[in-house]
Amino acid sequence: EVKLLESGGGLVQPGGSMRLSCAASGFTFTDFYMYWIRQPAGKAPEWLGLIRNKANGYTTEYNLSVKGRFTISRDNTQNMLYLQMNTLRAEDTATYYCTRWLGGFDYWGQGVMVTVSS
Amino acid sequence: EIVLTQSPTTTAASPGEKVTITCLANSSVTNMFWYQQKSGASPKLLIFSTSSLASGVPDRFSGSGSGTSYSLTINTMEAEDAATYYCQQWSGNPYTFGAGTKLELK
Repeated sequence: EVKLLESGGGLVQPGGSMRLSCAASGFTFTDFYMYWIRQPAGKAPEWLGLIRNKANGYTTEYNLSVKGRFTISRDNTQNMLYLQMNTLRAEDTATYYCTRWLGGFDYWGQGVMVTVSS
Repeated sequence: EIVLTQSPTTTAASPGEKVTITCLANSSVTNMFWYQQKSGASPKLLIFSTSSLASGVPDRFSGSGSGTSYSLTINTMEAEDAATYYCQQWSGNPYTFGAGTKLELK
């Protein structure tokens, strides 16, 4: 069974940093592109970025809205996905999801809440 | 950036009623994807590649469209279909979602 489990959310002050983690299981992690998507309360999801699979060199791509502040990485020995978020702003407050792509975002984690506030 | 405009924003349907949600793109896209999100839950993939049903999705759901105009149809509304529905395009970075259509049970 495919499972994605995010962790690491919470309250952070504006300008601060936070790292989210996503534990993946139930599939061959290195075969898949992995993604981070966020969703502010009551709003639509927003794609943040991706990290490619082994065959494509684990390269990354980002939404311009977060490029330079957010970094996606993966530990393929532990089947872990990470999102490093720096210089956080109030508008970064959202639920953050890790997902994978197989003809659509076919599996999502349960999400982790990040609140940026003083 | 490709902007997806969904309509209606909100709607309500009685059990057995047909529901259609549209998604218009400001540029042509290759395919459209649809997600269902119930309150407090993660989005769930319903339709991929415009018209293919994701695993386990009831066949009362269908998708169609091409170019800049796409639609999601629920052939016969059921109580469990009350949710918010999002379209999503995959034709270029950034990969964008529509603003959502909230479907309520009448």
